[in-house]
Amino acid sequence: NAGVMQNPRHLVRRRGQEARLRCSPMKGHSHVYWYRQLPEEGLKFMVYLQKENIIDESGMPKERFSAEFPKEGPSILRIQQVVRGDSAAYFCASLPGTGTTGELFFGEGSRLTVL
Amino acid sequence: AQSVAQPEDQVNVAEGNPLTVKCTYSVSGNPYLFWYVQYPNRGLQFLLKYITGDNLVKGSYGFEAEFNKSQTSFHLKKPSALVSDSALYFCAVAPNAGNMLTFGGGTRLMVKP
Repeated sequence: NAGVMQNPRHLVRRRGQEARLRCSPMKGHSHVYWYRQLPEEGLKFMVYLQKENIIDESGMPKERFSAEFPKEGPSILRIQQVVRGDSAAYFCASLPGTGTTGELFFGEGSRLTVL
Repeated sequence: AQSVAQPEDQVNVAEGNPLTVKCTYSVSGNPYLFWYVQYPNRGLQFLLKYITGDNLVKGSYGFEAEFNKSQTSFHLKKPSALVSDSALYFCAVAPNAGNMLTFGGGTRLMVKP
């Protein structure tokens, strides 16, 4: 059973470009969370999605950031017009949706560098 | 709103000695508490959790954590540290019956031979 898969692992963008980060949850998992980790800091919650629904986006910046989890395919975190402050590691985590509480399964992260 | 504090940025321990990584929390209602570990350039891995029951929770790799309601703490412990335990440790809290984890800032554990 493959774990949570994130790609790309590393992404370099220039200021003003767009960044798209993908996350395929573990097989059978229908809940996806995105977290951001700034250098030398902890994880900050960004958004919680189920298939075709955004459940909680209270941690998402109001502008330039969006997320989706379509019926088919991976979850996408999209950052438009990136700025240097967006440089961070973005982690995706998944849950089956029922049963276990809090045992999030994390991907290895996508590290975004904005030049 | 819930919050987690990990007061130590770094903990240094000699191999074979006991280790403690501190965590205090604030949450409405009964807390769900978690510890995760992060190795360099990797995602977080679940170590253990407290939901209800015994205040002492045992987890992976010989780690345990003690829930103390009066002190709102959930310190991570291990009787004998290994060099391979060196990593970044995160404490997290969720409100009861929820999966919205709030993470602390992390504590870097350095175990020296």
